[in-house]
Amino acid sequence: GENVEQHPSTLSVQEGDSAVIKCTYSDSASNYFPWYKQELGKGPQLIIDIRSNVGEKKDQRIAVTLNKTAKHFSLHITETQPEDSAVYFCAASTGYQLIWGAGTKLIIKP
Amino acid sequence: DTAVSQTPKYLVTQMGNDKSIKCEQNLGHDTMYWYKQDSKKFLKIMFSYNNKELIINETVPNRFSPKSPDKAHLNLHINSLELGDSAVYFCASSQRDGRVVGYTFGSGTRLTVV
Repeated sequence: GENVEQHPSTLSVQEGDSAVIKCTYSDSASNYFPWYKQELGKGPQLIIDIRSNVGEKKDQRIAVTLNKTAKHFSLHITETQPEDSAVYFCAASTGYQLIWGAGTKLIIKP
Repeated sequence: DTAVSQTPKYLVTQMGNDKSIKCEQNLGHDTMYWYKQDSKKFLKIMFSYNNKELIINETVPNRFSPKSPDKAHLNLHINSLELGDSAVYFCASSQRDGRVVGYTFGSGTRLTVV
């Protein structure tokens, strides 16, 4: 079955700098890759997603890139702000079920 | 309007007790899920129901029993609570149309067993 690995587990960046979180997946049939943000005391919320027919997708300061050959995808956050501090989860899906990465705690230093 | 709502938000109970967590979604989705999130933040799927039918039943103790009276509701009943059951439990819903669509989480129920 599908396996998703996420790195790093913790990422600390200076406010204003960029942050990159990477995930790799094992099943080449996976075709949907969402990213979720979980703020303290809340449930995970979808922030951006990409399907396998697209290599990159942007939404303001966040972007996701997908490399199907290497089977990895990444979340890029530019000009980080204090409100970006959260736990971020990647996931992969071949159909109905999402397989989750272990999460990355992003810390924005003032 | 809250899309996926869970009650209660906090639950503190003694070992050995039985408790229930309720979940309702108003998104019109046909699939609902229960997840357990431990202190390390890992999201572990427990159960999934599609149109009231159990479709995912991961390896969880049989003290956990889900019930789906209709496709908008999925409840979780836990018997004989143990210290290790302390965690945050999330309900989620999505639409199955050949792919994952609109996967949405509730705000969680923090269960503390003392």
